[in-house]
Amino acid sequence: GQQLNQSPQSMFIQEGEDVSMNCTSSSIFNTWLWYKQDPGEGPVLLIALYKAGELTSNGRLTAQFGITRKDSFLNISASIPSDVGIYFCAGHPRGDDKIIFGKGTRLHILP
Amino acid sequence: KAGVTQTPRYLIKTRGQQVTLSCSPISGHRSVSWYQQTPGQGLQFLFEYFSETQRNKGNFPGRFSGRQFSNSRSEMNVSTLELGDSALYLCASSLDPGTSGVTDTQYFGPGTRLTVL
Repeated sequence: GQQLNQSPQSMFIQEGEDVSMNCTSSSIFNTWLWYKQDPGEGPVLLIALYKAGELTSNGRLTAQFGITRKDSFLNISASIPSDVGIYFCAGHPRGDDKIIFGKGTRLHILP
Repeated sequence: KAGVTQTPRYLIKTRGQQVTLSCSPISGHRSVSWYQQTPGQGLQFLFEYFSETQRNKGNFPGRFSGRQFSNSRSEMNVSTLELGDSALYLCASSLDPGTSGVTDTQYFGPGTRLTVL
């Protein structure tokens, strides 16, 4: 079945640094979604992308729907302590009813 | 508009017992999906309901079942609990499944943390 490869698995950065993470697949996706999950809570939708090439921002977050429709990236600029958490990509593969999730990128911010 | 709500938030059961979890979707959303999340396996899809019908099912044993009511609220049941069933169970709702675009964007509830002793 379709799989999403999300990288990196974890990141350790200094406060103020920019962050970049991505998801790739061998399949074409119709939708890309990015979520953030805090400990003990459900994932919260950050950005939703619906068209190839679409670039969308939400505050310090920017995500893009890859031109090939097989990848997406999420950037966080000027990271702050509350950015700590797990970021998940998810997508709706073409021809499949189910949304597929990546395994997550765990973001740590060093003091 | 209220978000997805799940009850209870925390639950402790013993092996062999059964449990029922509840999910109320965002008003107007007709699709409800359930996921199991564990540290080792990540988010794993359990099943999806739309208009009181199960549309999709993941690879879980028959001990895991669900249903959806006419008001789109959904329940998930796990019978004969095993230690490995300890997990965060997440419910997500969307306007309409199986489509591409705005209507299939899923919104998650806070989850039910199930601990099996």
